[in-house]
This record gives sequence, structure tokens and C-alpha cells, in this order.
Amino acid sequence: GQNIDQPTEMTATEGAIVQINCTYQTSGFNGLFWYQQHAGEAPTFLSYNVLDGLEEKGRFSSFLSRSKGYSYLLLKELQMKDSASYLCAVRSYTGGFKTIFGAGTRLFVKA
Amino acid sequence: ETGVTQSPTHLIKTRGQQVTLRCSSQSGHNTVSWYQQALGQGPQFIFQYYREEENGRGNFPPRFSGLQFPNYSSELNVNALELDDSALYLCASSLSGGTLNEQFFGPGTRLTVL
Repeated sequence: GQNIDQPTEMTATEGAIVQINCTYQTSGFNGLFWYQQHAGEAPTFLSYNVLDGLEEKGRFSSFLSRSKGYSYLLLKELQMKDSASYLCAVRSYTGGFKTIFGAGTRLFVKA
Repeated sequence: ETGVTQSPTHLIKTRGQQVTLRCSSQSGHNTVSWYQQALGQGPQFIFQYYREEENGRGNFPPRFSGLQFPNYSSELNVNALELDDSALYLCASSLSGGTLNEQFFGPGTRLTVL
């Protein structure tokens, strides 16, 4: 089956760097996504990885290791507005597409 | 360029009824996915449509069905509603048949089943 694990909650300080880990098990891997979701709002796309390595996009970077079933999202220069849930999602293809989301990591940024 | 829109915003139904939720994809997008999100949980994948054909389905019973129209708007239909169907229903549109990356989510429909 498919499974995604990520920490439930994390707390970090404004201006710091935080790394949110995600481990997954799937067959037919077809890409890994990170989304940000503020309370009461829809998820917004942050990053996509399909090959091993680091993808950088401004203050956000995402890393993937397919052999280890592991990804992380790195947030630099944390701002208060980064307080949100961060969702790791894996897309697979086994005769049809599926996108499975983790339960999300709630990040609290404190002053 | 208009974003993804969903209607209605909120809906209250009773157990056993049927409901239709609607989604208008972002302009130019030909793929739509539907998700169910319970409070405090990640979205659960219901199904995906590409050019009016279902090309992916999650672990939801057949009473969850969908349609995608030639203009790429779509519907989610749920029959024989159960209390556990109460959730936020999200649609997300993207371009191509799953090979591209970014999904744009609509604001969701909050369904309450009494």
C-alpha cells in the first residue's frame, strides 16, 4: 500500500531555518509535492521533485531521495506568515494516477 | 486568468440524500482532481479526470462519482450520504495528464451531513 509520514507539529523562531521531513512508501512513484495550507484556506503549491536532489525556490527548498523514500522541505529566513500546515504528497501511477497526501506538519513560528 | 472556483461554498444535507458539488478549472487546464479533507487531516484523493475520462481513483466507494465536461469544468456527485461524508471537498486543476506539476486548488465546499 501507500503510506506517508511526517511530523505532526514543529516550532521554530522567526529568522531561523527549519527542515520538515517526509518519508513515504509507494509503488509507481511519479513525483513528490509540497503544499502550504493556512487554516481555513486551500493548499497552495510550493515545490515538486521527481528526480533525486535539491530543488530551490527562493526561501523554500525541497529534497528527494527516491531510493530512501525520503524528502524534506527546507524553509529559510522564517517569517511569522510561514506559520501553517505543510503537506507532503506523493503521486503514483499503477494503471491510474493517485496523489496521496500526508496528514501535514503544523509549523508554529514564534518571535 | 481566472483561478479555480467551487460552488457552493457551504452545504447542509441529511443522511441518505444526494449532493452535487461543482468546480470550474483554471483557464487552459485539462485535468481535475477531487479531494476530501477532514479537519486536521491531509486531503484524501477521490479521483482524477483528464479530458473527460477518469484516469485515477482513490479508495472511495462507487457512490462517489464524477464528471468532467468539454469546457473542463467538473462535478463530484455523492449518493446515499453518510455522516462521515461531512468534510471539506477540494478540487484542483492542472495542465496535461499528470506529467506536469502544479495543481491549483479551489477554495473548497464545506459539506455537513446531519
